[in-house]
Amino acid sequence: DAGVTQSPTHLIKTRGQQVTLRCSPKSGHDTVSWYQQALGQGPQFIFQYYEEEERQRGNFPDRFSGHQFPNYSSELNVNALLLGDSALYLCASSFFPDMGSGNTIYFGEGSWLTVV
Amino acid sequence: AQTVTQSQPEMSVQEAETVTLSCTYDTSESDYYLFWYKQPPSRQMILVIRQEAYKQQNATENRFSVNFQKAAKSFSLKISDSQLGDAAMYFCAYRSALSGNTPLVFGKGTRLSVIA
Repeated sequence: DAGVTQSPTHLIKTRGQQVTLRCSPKSGHDTVSWYQQALGQGPQFIFQYYEEEERQRGNFPDRFSGHQFPNYSSELNVNALLLGDSALYLCASSFFPDMGSGNTIYFGEGSWLTVV
Repeated sequence: AQTVTQSQPEMSVQEAETVTLSCTYDTSESDYYLFWYKQPPSRQMILVIRQEAYKQQNATENRFSVNFQKAAKSFSLKISDSQLGDAAMYFCAYRSALSGNTPLVFGKGTRLSVIA
């Protein structure tokens, strides 16, 4: 049973460019959340997708957008990249509703984005 | 908004000894969950232990236990019989129980080194 898979593992982009990161949730999960983890920091919640809609959003600008597909996989898009967007982007999947227990949240290994 | 504070950026422990990692949080909610996550160099977040706020009994998972002080809003992690494999970043996290699938709020983490 595959867990949460993310791609690409590493990528380097130039300021002003756009990037798309991908996530496949764990089998049986229908909810995907994205987190940004800057170097030396804890992860910060970007947004969550369920039933192909953005359900919750953290304090991130509109340059960050996403999408969820019918097979529950998800994409994170970042436009007009800034140096400060350099971070590890983590995808977490769960099923809805999980009643907050946290036992069913699974994380991927992340995508390292470097903006130069 | 809820906040999580980890005041120890780095800790070290001798193999087979015991170490305690500190975490405090701020919330006005009465019902929530608290977690400790481990992030090894592979970057994947691994759930170590969780605590329901409504439970007075401290959670225990093998060598890992917590000291949950709700009134003080303190949630420390004790690792007994430390092993080399315990070396990693440890993150304390908060999750509201108001509804399902609320996002995790993380602290900045504590880097634990285990000395052979």
